[in-house]
Amino acid sequence: KAGVTQTPRYLIKTRGQQVTLSCSPISGHRSVSWYQQTPGQGLQFLFEYFSETQRNKGNFPGRFSGRQFSNSRSEMNVSTLELGDSALYLCASSSDGKRGNSPLHFGNGTRLTVT
Amino acid sequence: GENVEQHPSTLSVQEGDSAVIKCTYSDSASNYFPWYKQELGKGPQLIIDIRSNVGEKKDQRIAVTLNKTAKHFSLHITETQPEDSAVYFCAASSVSGQNFVFGPGTRLSVLP
Repeated sequence: KAGVTQTPRYLIKTRGQQVTLSCSPISGHRSVSWYQQTPGQGLQFLFEYFSETQRNKGNFPGRFSGRQFSNSRSEMNVSTLELGDSALYLCASSSDGKRGNSPLHFGNGTRLTVT
Repeated sequence: GENVEQHPSTLSVQEGDSAVIKCTYSDSASNYFPWYKQELGKGPQLIIDIRSNVGEKKDQRIAVTLNKTAKHFSLHITETQPEDSAVYFCAASSVSGQNFVFGPGTRLSVLP
C-alpha cells in the first residue's frame, strides 16, 4: 500500500507570495491532518479534514487554510507568506472516523523556505 | 486541553545500551498513546503504540509501558544500534480539538 505522498518536497517563496501544498493520503483513509514543524515549536496542529469537512482547527491565523476533495486528497494554502512561515509542513492520514483512535501516518513533508 | 511533556530532550547512549524516554500527559480521558521516530529528511514514522487497557507492549527491541494512574508512559529501546539514532515523539489522544497532542521530542544519539 502506498504511503502518504506530499508534493512538492521543497519550495522557496518570497514574502507576500502565496503557496499551495498537496497531500495524497493512504488509500481508504478519510482523515487528513496538517502539521507545521519547526525546531523551536515542535509539531503544531494546523487543521484536520474528514470527508471533505474541516473537523478541527489549530491556533493559526486565517492566512492558513485547507480543503479536502472527494477522493480524500487535501491541499493547504498559505497566503501573504511571512518569514516565520518557513517550516516543514507535514500531512498525516488516518483510517479512523473517531478522533484519536488510530495512528496518524505521516508523509515526508514539504520544506517551505520564505525569503 | 491535553498537554504532553517528554524527557529527556536529548539522550546519548553507547551502542548496545538501553535507552528510556518518558512522557506524561494531563488528560485522564486520553486512551491511545503512539510513539513516532523521525529520521533526518523524513516524516515521523509510527514505531509502537499502546492503548489504555494495556500496561505494556513489546515489539522486538522496543517496548512501551503505561501507568494510567500516574499518567506516565515510557519508551524502552534495548540493545541500541546506530540506526536507532533519530528524534522520538510521544503522543496522547485527545477527545477535544486536535486528535493527538505531541511531546516536544527526544533526540537520541547512539554512539558506536
